[in-house]
Amino acid sequence: DIQMTQSPSTLSASVGDRVTITCRASQSISSWLAWYQQKPGKAPKLLIYKASSLESGVPSRFSGSGSGTDFTLTISSLQPDDFATYYCQQYNSYSWTFGQGTKVEIK
Amino acid sequence: QVQLVQSGAELKKPGASVKVSCSVSGYRLIELPMHWVRQAPGTGLEWMGGFDAEKGETIYAQKFQGRVTLTEDTSTDTAHMELSSLRSEDTAMYYCVTENLNAWGQGTLVTVSS
Repeated sequence: DIQMTQSPSTLSASVGDRVTITCRASQSISSWLAWYQQKPGKAPKLLIYKASSLESGVPSRFSGSGSGTDFTLTISSLQPDDFATYYCQQYNSYSWTFGQGTKVEIK
Repeated sequence: QVQLVQSGAELKKPGASVKVSCSVSGYRLIELPMHWVRQAPGTGLEWMGGFDAEKGETIYAQKFQGRVTLTEDTSTDTAHMELSSLRSEDTAMYYCVTENLNAWGQGTLVTVSS
């Protein structure tokens, strides 16, 4: 299985900060990478698919980049609603795997 | 609009089986394969399996091979996930999710306890 390594595991930030989360795949996944936001007690919400495509209805402050093995999720200006846990996921092969998550906390 | 509505929470004893359903609206199940993901309390997301439309077969994560069965009833647009030989480590929230990733069920909590 392809291993996905996310960093950092926890991130403390303030409203208005620029936030970057990275995800590394153990082998090339081309651009078959998604990013999700999850809040407590809720299902994950798709933010980005195919590494850099913004899902409909998701604010433009979220952006994704990368290809191959290295990927980045950026929040350009952190808003109160953005404090949550973020996951990356590869879907290059039919054995989807997820990163371990990054919890974005209030500083 | 695509909506996935899952069946209610389940409490099961070790060794039993559980069947979770996922009812689709807003599209036909045959148009978009379903996958299943679980999340144990306080932990990350784990893919269990899904339908590979190219091969025309259901693919299971190796970890769950032999214990999980995914089925789809296209006449009622309902997908099912059955997990057998339950153990305490199977206590988790179980989600159905469409292959295009953008629609998730609300989750079904399965608790395994004696």
